[in-house]
Amino acid sequence: GENVEQHPSTLSVQEGDSAVIKCTYSDSASNYFPWYKQELGKGPQLIIDIRSNVGEKKDQRIAVTLNKTAKHFSLHITETQPEDSAVYFCAASRGAILTGGGNKLTFGTGTQLKVEL
Amino acid sequence: NAGVTQTPKFQVLKTGQSMTLQCAQDMNHEYMSWYRQDPGMGLRLIHYSVGAGITDQGEVPNGYNVSRSTTEDFPLRLLSAAPSQTSVYFCASSSQADYYYEQYFGPGTRLTVT
Repeated sequence: GENVEQHPSTLSVQEGDSAVIKCTYSDSASNYFPWYKQELGKGPQLIIDIRSNVGEKKDQRIAVTLNKTAKHFSLHITETQPEDSAVYFCAASRGAILTGGGNKLTFGTGTQLKVEL
Repeated sequence: NAGVTQTPKFQVLKTGQSMTLQCAQDMNHEYMSWYRQDPGMGLRLIHYSVGAGITDQGEVPNGYNVSRSTTEDFPLRLLSAAPSQTSVYFCASSSQADYYYEQYFGPGTRLTVT
């Protein structure tokens, strides 16, 4: 099955700096890569995703890059703010058609991001 | 539109007891799933369902049962709780209208088995 590795496990940055979280995956058939943000005591919330037919996607201060050849994808947060402090998870999926059973996600182990004033 | 709701928020069980974690969604989503979250291990898929009457196992199904009698509800049953099932449980749902689709997570149930 799929295996997703995520680094680093903790990341501390100064407000206004950039933060980068990296993930690698093992299943070459994976074609959907979402990123989730989890605040304390809450469920994960999707912040951005990328499909295998593109190499980069941007949404305001958040961007994700995908390298299918190397099987890795990264989350970039620019101009970090205190409200960005949370746990971030990457995930990978084959998508519904290939699996025939829905969008089963394999998650990374999470990155605790702390943005310091 | 409440999204995905889970009850209870917290639960303490003794080893061997049984209980049902409730999950409901009001978005008419076909796909629902259960994950458990343990420190340092991310979220792992327990069971999932692609529609009423259809369920299948995920990565860590042992010790858990599910059923899907309606589109809205997807309860998770622990038949004989064990300390290894101490975890935070999340239910998620998504629409299958598109090839790829966002999964919406509930707020979670924190379960402790003593």
